[in-house]
Amino acid sequence: QITLKESGPMQVKPTQTLTLTCSFSGFSLITSGVGVAWIRQPPGKALEWVALIHSNDDKRYSPSLKSRLSITKDTSKNQVVLTMANMDPADTATYYCAHMYGSGLYGMDVWGQGTTVTVSS
Amino acid sequence: DIQMTQSPSSLSASVGDRVTITCRASQSISSYLNWYQQRPGKAPQLLIYAASSLQSGVPSRFSGSGSGTDFTLTISCLQPEDFASYYCQQSDNTPYTFGQGTKLEIK
Repeated sequence: QITLKESGPMQVKPTQTLTLTCSFSGFSLITSGVGVAWIRQPPGKALEWVALIHSNDDKRYSPSLKSRLSITKDTSKNQVVLTMANMDPADTATYYCAHMYGSGLYGMDVWGQGTTVTVSS
Repeated sequence: DIQMTQSPSSLSASVGDRVTITCRASQSISSYLNWYQQRPGKAPQLLIYAASSLQSGVPSRFSGSGSGTDFTLTISCLQPEDFASYYCQQSDNTPYTFGQGTKLEIK
């Protein structure tokens, strides 16, 4: 059974760097074709795709956020870490991580419960 | 980026109704189209992948169709638990963009 869980601070100040961790079980990021994506959702708004890391360490970012993002994996800990620099109140959102397989063809089939981040001074 | 346009943005229907939600991509995405359901306060759940494949455990009243740029999600006989928000997403090219969502409400 695949599970994912996001963790990180509930609140950060503007200009600070956010670090979120996705801890997962039931799959390995060593397995070919597997990926973990980050998606966010501002309050009352639509889902926004943020970043993706594949088992081969291929990394993809949202172009609008790319200059502020870094995604890494720790296969020994079964974790994916997303960092977002220079946080702004507009980055207030629930952040989800999700499992992917097969270069997108099979969608994001398992999601974490999400973690809510508020950006405020 | 590939833009995904969903319609309608909101929809009122009754239990037992058949409803259809459409999604249009700004360029061809073959069949790399997924549908998600999101209930209030919960994470999205995958309903349909590859435009028409039903995710394991999803009731058969949900179905998807389309290819290229035009896609539809159909719910054949609405149940009370189906009143939620629905999102399409393309997974042909990163960024894997979502539609703006359709909120399905009880009439």
